[in-house]
Amino acid sequence: KAGVTQTPRYLIKTRGQQVTLSCSPISGHRSVSWYQQTPGQGLQFLFEYFSETQRNKGNFPGRFSGRQFSNSRSEMNVSTLELGDSALYLCASSLVLSGEQYFGPGTRLTVT
Amino acid sequence: GENVEQHPSTLSVQEGDSAVIKCTYSDSASNYFPWYKQELGKRPQLIIDIRSNVGEKKDQRIAVTLNKTAKHFSLHITETQPEDSAVYFCAATPNSGGGADGLTFGKGTHLIIQP
Repeated sequence: KAGVTQTPRYLIKTRGQQVTLSCSPISGHRSVSWYQQTPGQGLQFLFEYFSETQRNKGNFPGRFSGRQFSNSRSEMNVSTLELGDSALYLCASSLVLSGEQYFGPGTRLTVT
Repeated sequence: GENVEQHPSTLSVQEGDSAVIKCTYSDSASNYFPWYKQELGKRPQLIIDIRSNVGEKKDQRIAVTLNKTAKHFSLHITETQPEDSAVYFCAATPNSGGGADGLTFGKGTHLIIQP
């Protein structure tokens, strides 16, 4: 099976702009989780989607949002970008809600 | 919410020796504990996991132990090889399927295998 894919792999944005990241899970996986990875804070949970519904949410401001489509693909949106949003954004898919998670390669977001 | 502490932050061992990484967690409801390996510039890779109904699990040179009473779990790598050099993350979650909070990760351990 093909692994989790994410697009784009790299992105440079300016403060105040918004960005949309995309994640395609492993075929058959219905749950997609998003994480932010930074050198200072490590890996932090953003949210998890299952059957097009957000099931869990981490401690991030409302500027971070997401959605999941009927084919289980997911998008994450960050509005009004701040310098501190620069990070590697990873998505992970699992067969069931909060099951074993397999990560994509990530999207490296740089905010200038 | 859950809090996971991981030690040490850096571990240097001679090739062929064993390496042990330890994690503690705070939420007694946590019942799923995966370990991930992340090489530089690569995605985190699930290498082994354990659920709270077992105390130990092995997969070739890798083993994980869990002590639910003390709320700690450990990763053991035996006969270390150069390709084991990476950052290792432990994680915990209630994984209840209906109200879980996602994976809570430790800060990571940079494992260095000295030739």
